[in-house]
Amino acid sequence: AQKVTQAQTEISVVEKEDVTLDCVYETRDTTYYLFWYKQPPSGELVFLIRRNSFDEQNEISGRYSWNFQKSTSSFNFTITASQVVDSAVYFCALPAYSGAGSYQLTFGKGTKLSVIP
Amino acid sequence: DTGVSQDPRHKITKRGQNVTFRCDPISEHNRLYWYRQTLGQGPEFLTYFQNEAQLEKSRLLSDRFSAERPKGSFSTLEIQRTEQGDSAMYLCASSLATSGGANEQFFGPGTRLTVL
Repeated sequence: AQKVTQAQTEISVVEKEDVTLDCVYETRDTTYYLFWYKQPPSGELVFLIRRNSFDEQNEISGRYSWNFQKSTSSFNFTITASQVVDSAVYFCALPAYSGAGSYQLTFGKGTKLSVIP
Repeated sequence: DTGVSQDPRHKITKRGQNVTFRCDPISEHNRLYWYRQTLGQGPEFLTYFQNEAQLEKSRLLSDRFSAERPKGSFSTLEIQRTEQGDSAMYLCASSLATSGGANEQFFGPGTRLTVL
């Protein structure tokens, strides 16, 4: 069975600090994808990144970076120089292929990030 | 706006009443998912459509729940005889089926259901 663990329930940082959100996953699949989503106070889930298990290179997009380590089953997310607008709940998710064409996502419980001005 | 839309955004109902939610996916997306999210939790999968066919249902989807996607366009989720435990945010997501595997799912704003 698929499982995603986000051990950090809530994190508070002061603006401009760097912060890392942890994600540990379990899957029996040999190839798989991983996702990160952001859920701001407005409630709508916003897609951030999709990563294929073949590609273990770190990815950087502006102030966001992702560290994928297959050996430890982790896919951590770092925000550099955090801003108040980064305040949100962040979810890590693992798609499960059902065989019927569905890639339903298994989400972690999320990490609530508060950036204090 | 070409994103996923959901209607209504909020619904308050009394226990025992029926409710229906609508989702309009991104127009070219053939995959459509429904999820449910309760407070402090991540979304949980409910059901999946590929075009008009409902191909996957979660154990969470009791027989009081029914979903349709006529003509492979918009989808509806109906809950009959609502219970207080049905109170949650109901999220719809769509994605494009390609040979690339699990493509990103784009979520709508959700329908927040409160059962009194």
